[in-house]
Parts: sequence; C-alpha cells; structure tokens
Amino acid sequence: QKEVEQNSGPLSVPEGAIASLNCTYSDRGSQSFFWYRQYSGKSPELIMSIYSNGDKEDGRFTAQLNKASQYVSLLIRDSQPSDSATYLCAAEPGGADGLTFGKGTHLIIQP
Amino acid sequence: DTEVTQTPKHLVMGMTNKKSLKCEQHMGHRAMYWYKQKAKKPPELMFVYSYEKLSINESVPSRFSPECPNSSLLNLHLHALQPEDSALYLCASSQRVADQPQHFGDGTRLSIL
Repeated sequence: QKEVEQNSGPLSVPEGAIASLNCTYSDRGSQSFFWYRQYSGKSPELIMSIYSNGDKEDGRFTAQLNKASQYVSLLIRDSQPSDSATYLCAAEPGGADGLTFGKGTHLIIQP
Repeated sequence: DTEVTQTPKHLVMGMTNKKSLKCEQHMGHRAMYWYKQKAKKPPELMFVYSYEKLSINESVPSRFSPECPNSSLLNLHLHALQPEDSALYLCASSQRVADQPQHFGDGTRLSIL
C-alpha cells in the first residue's frame, strides 16, 4: 500500500525563522513529489515540485529530496504569518496512478 | 484566481436529487482528476481522465458518475447521494498523468440533506 507520512502538528514557528516540514513515503517507485499549501476552507495550491535528489529553491521555499531514504522536506525561510496553513506532501508513482497525499502538517507562524 | 474553474461553488441537495458538478480548464492539459476532501483530511483521488478516457476509478460508488465531454471539460454527475458524501469536491488538471504537477480548482462544497 502506497503511503505518505507527515507529522500533523501543529508546528509553531516564530516569524522570521525557518520552518522545516518533513515527509516520508513508502513506495520506492514514486518518481515525482509535490508540496501544496492549503488554507482553511480553500483548495490546495502548488508550492513546489521536485523530481531528482538534492535541493530545489524557489524564493523563500526550498524542497529537498532523498530517494534512498524516501524522504522529502520543505524549508520556508523568513517565515511570515501568511505562511500559516496546512502543508500537504504528495507523491506520484511512475504511471497514471494520480497523487497520494500525506495527511498534512498544520503550520502556525507566530508574530 | 485559479486556472481551473469549478461550478457551482456551493451545492445543497437532497438524497433523491440529481445534480452535476462542472470543471473547466483552458491550459491545454490532457489529464483531469476528481478528488474528494473531508474536513481536516487530505484529498482522496476518485477518478482520473487521460486524453478524455477514464484511466482510474478508485472504487467509487456508482452514485458518482464522471464524464469528460472534451479535453477542457470534466463533469461529475451525482444521484442518490448519502449524507456521508458531504465534502469538498476538487477538480485538478495536469499536462499529462505522469510526472506533472496538478493544478486544483477552488472546489465545490457539497452538502447532502
């Protein structure tokens, strides 16, 4: 069974600090990984996608992938109160299976 | 604003009603998806369409019937739903089914009386 695991939190981080969100996945066949941000009552919004081992940076966001450890992370630098949301990690195995989501981590940025 | 448009935004229906949810995208994507999301839970995949053909049906009850009239449109026909079907229904699209990020619409919040 394909699973994506995340700590549900809440994860509380002071404003201006680095928020670190982690995710593990069970299916070694997974090839593509995505981070979505979801505000309460809203739909998921794509933040980052990552396909190969290493780091990928986009503005204040850095995604990290380690396929050997089956581990994906998202770093948010200079955290802002507007970053407070639930962050969903998603994995897609090779093929047409759609996305498997983790349960999400609730992030709270304290002003 | 999202590039995937879903209508209606809210829908209240009785258990004997028939209604449809609609989804439209104009990004030239060839894969479209329906997800169901309950409160404080992650989205759960229901259906996948690839090049207008149904490629995945995740054992969804027959009271949910998907339809893909063309590459830009995706419908979800609802009939004889149960109260536990109340949820946020999300449509998404991607360039193709594999290795591409999915972009979500704003969703339809469905309540079954």
